[in-house]
Amino acid sequence: DAGITQSPRHKVTETGTPVTLRCHQTENHRYMYWYRQDPGHGLRLIHYSYGVKDTDKGEVSDGYSVSRSKTEDFLLTLESATSSQTSVYFCAISEDGARGYGYTFGSGTRLTVV
Amino acid sequence: SQQGEEDPQALSIQEGENATMNCSYKTSINNLQWYRQNSGRGLVHLILIRSNEREKHSGRLRVTLDTSKKSSSLLITASRAADTASYFCATALSGSARQLTFGSGTQLTVLP
Repeated sequence: DAGITQSPRHKVTETGTPVTLRCHQTENHRYMYWYRQDPGHGLRLIHYSYGVKDTDKGEVSDGYSVSRSKTEDFLLTLESATSSQTSVYFCAISEDGARGYGYTFGSGTRLTVV
Repeated sequence: SQQGEEDPQALSIQEGENATMNCSYKTSINNLQWYRQNSGRGLVHLILIRSNEREKHSGRLRVTLDTSKKSSSLLITASRAADTASYFCATALSGSARQLTFGSGTQLTVLP
C-alpha cells in the first residue's frame, strides 16, 4: 500500500525465539498501530504510538513490546514467541488518530510460530 | 469483548443486487468507520460517519447511523463481483478517539 510497508511479509519461527516486525511509513503521520487478525476475532489492537517514543497498550498487548525511535518506523517485538502468536499482523498509520481521516493499512505480515 | 459486531457474518448475493451489512456497538462513539478487505490484503478505508450524522453517501455506498440503537448499516447498491470482500466496521470511542476498535466482519460474496 502506498506510503506504508511491512517487513517481512512472511516469517516462520520457533517457539521461544524473539521476533521483530517492522512497519515503515513515508507519510509523516503521527499515529502508528499494530493489530493482529485471527479468524473469528476481526482485528485486535496490540500497541499504538502517538509520537516518537510515545506508545500505549492495546487490547492484547501481553507478550509484545514496541518501539518508535523515528517518525517513520514502528517496531513490534515478540519477546519469546508462542504458538498463540501465530497470526497475521497489520500495521496502520493515521494523521489524526481515529478522529477523521481513517487508517491506511500495510499489506500484513503472516507469522507462523512452530 | 468486541465493541463492534457485524451481522450477518456471511452474505451471498447475485451481481446487480444490493447488499446490506449491519454493525452494532456498545458504548458512546466519536465516529464509526467502514473498511473493506480483499483476500490476503490489508484493509481499505471506505467511509466515516460522525456521531452527529445520520446518513452519508459515497458513490454506491450508503451508511446510516442510529446512535439511540447503537447501530450502523452499510448498503452497497448494484453490487459487482469486484465487491466480493470482507467488510468491517470500526468505532472510535467518544473522548480520546485515538484508536479504532474493529468488529469481526461480514464476508460478502457477489456471484456473477
